[in-house]
Amino acid sequence: AQKVTQAQTEISVVEKEDVTLDCVYETRDTTYYLFWYKQPPSGELVFLIRRNSFDEQNEISGRYSWNFQKSTSSFNFTITASQVVDSAVYFCALSEVYSGGYNKLIFGAGTRLAVHP
Amino acid sequence: NAGVTQTPKFQVLKTGQSMTLQCAQDMNHEYMSWYRQDPGMGLRLIHYSVGAGITDQGEVPNGYNVSRSTTEDFPLRLLSAAPSQTSVYFCASRRAGVDQETQYFGPGTRLLVL
Repeated sequence: AQKVTQAQTEISVVEKEDVTLDCVYETRDTTYYLFWYKQPPSGELVFLIRRNSFDEQNEISGRYSWNFQKSTSSFNFTITASQVVDSAVYFCALSEVYSGGYNKLIFGAGTRLAVHP
Repeated sequence: NAGVTQTPKFQVLKTGQSMTLQCAQDMNHEYMSWYRQDPGMGLRLIHYSVGAGITDQGEVPNGYNVSRSTTEDFPLRLLSAAPSQTSVYFCASRRAGVDQETQYFGPGTRLLVL
């Protein structure tokens, strides 16, 4: 069965440190999508990135970067020069074909990141 | 665009009471879904809909009911609330299509069942 593992429950860093959030997934599908969402203290879920299984290019967006490696089934997320506003829970998710063409998201348990000044 | 909206933001219920969590989207998305978030478990799918008049069960549907009479609205009904339904509930929507369109989430409803 599809599964997403975020082994790091909580990470604490000091501002300006780089931090990497790990995500390992399991799937039998040859075509699939991976996502990262951010949940700040206010509680909403903010979409960060979507990556399909055919695109292994790393992506950089400002201080955020993502490393997708099919060989190790990992989709890790790095924040460079972290800031207090990065404090949040980060979820990695995998899409799964569920029923009738509908694709549901399988979420990891989340990693709580605390950035201290 | 307001995106996905949910009401109420917070609700306290007594065991056995019923209530409806409201969800609406103004993006003309075909697909809508309800997830619940519990500590240490990420989000789990309760029910989903692929269009008006079409709904189906997710992985944790027991105790919940849904209907979809319009494209915009997808209410979630708790028939007889139980303490195990204390959770944060998120509604999501996305466009249909084989190219995994991104799901957009509402702000959540925090439910406490006493």
